[in-house]
Amino acid sequence: DTGVSQDPRHKITKRGQNVTFRCDPISEHNRLYWYRQTLGQGPEFLTYFQNEAQLEKSRLLSDRFSAERPKGSFSTLEIQRTEQGDSAMYLCASSLARVTNTEAFFGQGTRLTVV
Amino acid sequence: SQELEQSPQSLIVQEGKNLTINCTSSKTLYGLYWYKQKYGEGLIFLMMLQKGGEEKSHEKITAKLDEKKQQSSLHITASQPSHAGIYLCGAAPGTASKLTFGTGTRLQVTL
Repeated sequence: DTGVSQDPRHKITKRGQNVTFRCDPISEHNRLYWYRQTLGQGPEFLTYFQNEAQLEKSRLLSDRFSAERPKGSFSTLEIQRTEQGDSAMYLCASSLARVTNTEAFFGQGTRLTVV
Repeated sequence: SQELEQSPQSLIVQEGKNLTINCTSSKTLYGLYWYKQKYGEGLIFLMMLQKGGEEKSHEKITAKLDEKKQQSSLHITASQPSHAGIYLCGAAPGTASKLTFGTGTRLQVTL
């Protein structure tokens, strides 16, 4: 396994269009996270899954955003009716849930530009 | 909510020099993560610290978590151009490992 994989790496879309990103976590990891990062800032938490259950969503995740992890493996993040403010790097991370904290590994990210 | 402050915000050092980056939390840290990020790329995991007083090293990078678990430092010895990038500290509020990040420290290493 080569780590967390995200697709596409870059996406340019027109305002108002829908976009979907995919994340493939490390195979044995049962937790999957989505973060958003804007220029000059650290990543901000959006949502996370344990297996196929979405356990937490940030207030940053507006109604236009939806995430799924249908079989507890890969996940998709969809943004509907994109706005220029959605332009950012979208990062996916995965980890193995244990009693104590475990390492979280990130993918290379999907950079979204809304024009 | 937990807030993390990193200092300095940016740093330029000459190759071969040592440097330290600090991360201070507004609350007790249950898990403190250090990552490195190259511009436009994802985060590379460096180290995770959980216990007060814990210290870990990897190659020329050493990270420490203070006894009170509210501050961490990242020390690079004999810096190299390959160390250049943005260093981010992330904190876990508990065992969920959802992370809150600082704004990062941008490191440049000059020849």
